[in-house]
Amino acid sequence: DTAVSQTPKYLVTQMGNDKSIKCEQNLGHDTMYWYKQDSKKFLKIMFSYNNKELIINETVPNRFSPKSPDKAHLNLHINSLELGDSAVYFCASSQVRGGLYEQYFGPGTRLTVT
Amino acid sequence: SQQGEEDPQALSIQEGENATMNCSYKTSINNLQWYRQNSGRGLVHLILIRSNEREKHSGRLRVTLDTSKKSSSLLITASRAADTASYFCATPGTYKYIFGTGTRLKVLA
Repeated sequence: DTAVSQTPKYLVTQMGNDKSIKCEQNLGHDTMYWYKQDSKKFLKIMFSYNNKELIINETVPNRFSPKSPDKAHLNLHINSLELGDSAVYFCASSQVRGGLYEQYFGPGTRLTVT
Repeated sequence: SQQGEEDPQALSIQEGENATMNCSYKTSINNLQWYRQNSGRGLVHLILIRSNEREKHSGRLRVTLDTSKKSSSLLITASRAADTASYFCATPGTYKYIFGTGTRLKVLA
């Protein structure tokens, strides 16, 4: 069974469009995250949710809106896509917040904006 | 930026050799973690070392931590082609993890 799953794996779209990425974890973890990995492989935290509540928003443009309908799901909606949004987006989860335990990552969603 | 630094940025070795990569970080920590990322995949947790530990082993992996120097090293012994990947260190921040810049390891068969 996949621990952290994301859909879609690839997303190719044009500038100005709106798109969503879905994430689900079946580990029973309390905390979920979205990361952006750029072409140089830098991994940057975007959002962190704990029990469906937003606890971190790392100065991400408000075109990005995460939503957590329950603690097993964390979706990411992006409005008015820009070229600079092209990257790989990873969802992750951990048992509790605060970096005390390991994180489990999804396979990533490669977003290409043309 | 809080991001940690890893060196080298890239490392190419022959199968059977040992690979060492280093991580420096900026703040006080209670643990440090290492992750591996194979090409096109998500990160996989390798090992966690707590601030009161100096060394930890897991199979062919050996991790050291020097909190006075704010640095850690990951040693992979007897490397295999399957070890080819990017390796990241991560330190806990406030409700988040801070990842290093990564070391790209290539093991040549």
